[in-house]
Amino acid sequence: DAMVIQNPRYQVTQFGKPVTLSCSQTLNHNVMYWYQQKSSQAPKLLFHYYDKDFNNEADTPDNFQSRRPNTSFCFLDIRSPGLGDAAMYLCATSRDMVATYEQYFGPGTRLTVT
Amino acid sequence: EDKVVQSPLSLVVHEGDTVTLNCSYEVTNFRSLLWYKQEKKAPTFLFMLTSSGIEKKSGRLSSILDKKELFSILNITATQTGDSAVYLCAGSSNTGKLIFGQGTTLQVKP
Repeated sequence: DAMVIQNPRYQVTQFGKPVTLSCSQTLNHNVMYWYQQKSSQAPKLLFHYYDKDFNNEADTPDNFQSRRPNTSFCFLDIRSPGLGDAAMYLCATSRDMVATYEQYFGPGTRLTVT
Repeated sequence: EDKVVQSPLSLVVHEGDTVTLNCSYEVTNFRSLLWYKQEKKAPTFLFMLTSSGIEKKSGRLSSILDKKELFSILNITATQTGDSAVYLCAGSSNTGKLIFGQGTTLQVKP
């Protein structure tokens, strides 16, 4: 009954080696979000897709990119991971971008950078 | 700048105690306040509050919003060890974007 699926759950990458995290959803929601959550901190929104429209947060580093090839899938690409990018990456979806719809979160991918 | 502040940051109680978690917010074009529970995995949705003074309840959990004073509380009565988690509060603007607080870590001891 998984609704928002993230793979892998744990990812180890080397400093500077590109890495891709994936998210898929079975909810047919229009909006998909990527959050970064560092230890003992609040989730921080990186960007979101409303359908095919990509919206980057102003303070998201250029090192982070995203792709949404279809409604169900969304990818987070980290082009050159640094040690400071080690975090939990959460994918979330919502039906629409109005405040009456809650966001559903996936289980997260914990990224380690060595 | 939009911000959400939760207090306390951590709390240790014993089973059966009642706890109150606090959340204050400053969110431009505020529309709703959400509470999530996060164990060692993704946040799970608890409540969405849009109107002042209307309490939402789910079992032993309840929450209320005060839009005049810009805060919300989450109450948990008769706590159980399974309530141990991080509780996240988030403010939502009219665009649906969530601004999260830093979370309250609750530990319930047997």
